[in-house]
Amino acid sequence: DADVTQTPRNRITKTGKRIMLECSQTKGHDRMYWYRQDPGLGLRLIYYSFDVKDINKGEISDGYSVSRQAQAKFSLSLESAIPNQTALYFCATSDSGSRGSTEQFFGPGTRLTVL
Amino acid sequence: QQQVKQSPQSLIVQKGGIPIINCAYENTAFDYFPWYQQFPGKGPALLIAIRPDVSEKKEGRFTISFNKSAKQFSLHIMDSQPGDSATYFCAARLNNAGNMLTFGGGTRLMVKP
Repeated sequence: DADVTQTPRNRITKTGKRIMLECSQTKGHDRMYWYRQDPGLGLRLIYYSFDVKDINKGEISDGYSVSRQAQAKFSLSLESAIPNQTALYFCATSDSGSRGSTEQFFGPGTRLTVL
Repeated sequence: QQQVKQSPQSLIVQKGGIPIINCAYENTAFDYFPWYQQFPGKGPALLIAIRPDVSEKKEGRFTISFNKSAKQFSLHIMDSQPGDSATYFCAARLNNAGNMLTFGGGTRLMVKP
């Protein structure tokens, strides 16, 4: 059973459409993150959330919004998709660190193509 | 501007070779340096990590060398195998910033049989 799941795994959409990517985790972690991966640029942080009521912008938040519906669920929305948002998107989770580990655990990714 | 610079972008070695991937950083407030391994179609997974108070860490065939004065660290894979073919990311965590990671650009490694 996957600890961090993402849906959909692949999505093709058109410019201007609203898109939601969903992430769920069964690890019981407080912290959740959304990254995008582009060739040569590594993983860049879009938004992060330390708990349900704590949501913060990351390095590249413009054009994106998020919702933390519950401790286990963190959704990423593209309000009006544009072609340069074509990328691989990853959700990740981590413990708060109080138990020593701060490792981030990643989902399998969503490949998004905006035409 | 990337705060963590990784090189090379791609690397091809023969089985048994020792690929070396290098990373450099500027921010001295980074306090933890993990390496993540990513196979095609999968998310990255933690491979090995080091803190700046040690110069080397070894786990199995994977070794991190850390040079604090030069602000550089590298990953060495001993006796590389075709199964090591993957993309590798170095990262750095900002001290007291809630486990925020800044990633390098990634290195795509191919180990030929």
